[in-house]
Amino acid sequence: LAKTTQPISMDSYEGQEVNITCSHNNIATNDYITWYQQFPSQGPRFIIQGYKTKVTNEVASLFIPADRKSSTLSLPRVSLSDTAVYYCLVGDMRGSSNTGKLIFGQGTTLQVKP
Amino acid sequence: NAGVTQTPKFQVLKTGQSMTLQCAQDMNHNSMYWYRQDPGMGLRLIYYSASEGTTDKGEVPNGYNVSRLNKREFSLRLESAAPSQTSVYFCASILTGGFSGELFFGEGSRLTVL
Repeated sequence: LAKTTQPISMDSYEGQEVNITCSHNNIATNDYITWYQQFPSQGPRFIIQGYKTKVTNEVASLFIPADRKSSTLSLPRVSLSDTAVYYCLVGDMRGSSNTGKLIFGQGTTLQVKP
Repeated sequence: NAGVTQTPKFQVLKTGQSMTLQCAQDMNHNSMYWYRQDPGMGLRLIYYSASEGTTDKGEVPNGYNVSRLNKREFSLRLESAAPSQTSVYFCASILTGGFSGELFFGEGSRLTVL
């Protein structure tokens, strides 16, 4: 099981770019890296997923170096509504028959200030 | 399209009482998961089911039992509730071999054990 390590908390200001890094030193060949966002009293919500290099969608970018032992979630121009907990999840998310245990790390609490 | 539905949304129990949390998904997903989240903490895996008829322990299975009733439904039972089981419980599901590899969550069931 790939264990993940993230900073416990981060602060930012509206309009800034925020980068949250996750370490996953024992990532396996079939593992994907997925980031989730969670607001208070809600279930986590999918943000972005990648296997290697860079992935971009309408809300974020995900940077994965060649050795895949870490990843960085980039949120461009954050707003107050981006204040949430962000989780990095590493696992065989696209396993053909069994995704196995999907273990979350402790997450990063992002506080965006005006 | 309801996604992942959990019932009940709120429950208060007395120590020693039993109850079952219900989870159903309508996305034809193979794998289903139960997590608990204590106040200010991350998600911890209780049990998961890779497919109908199979279940496996997660990080914190003690005090819980599960049943994968059919492909749609995955229930979590507390046989003798304890105050330490006061938490928010999230059910999640994922399609194995799927292109998206996205874990979908329910809105949570908030359990208080007195």
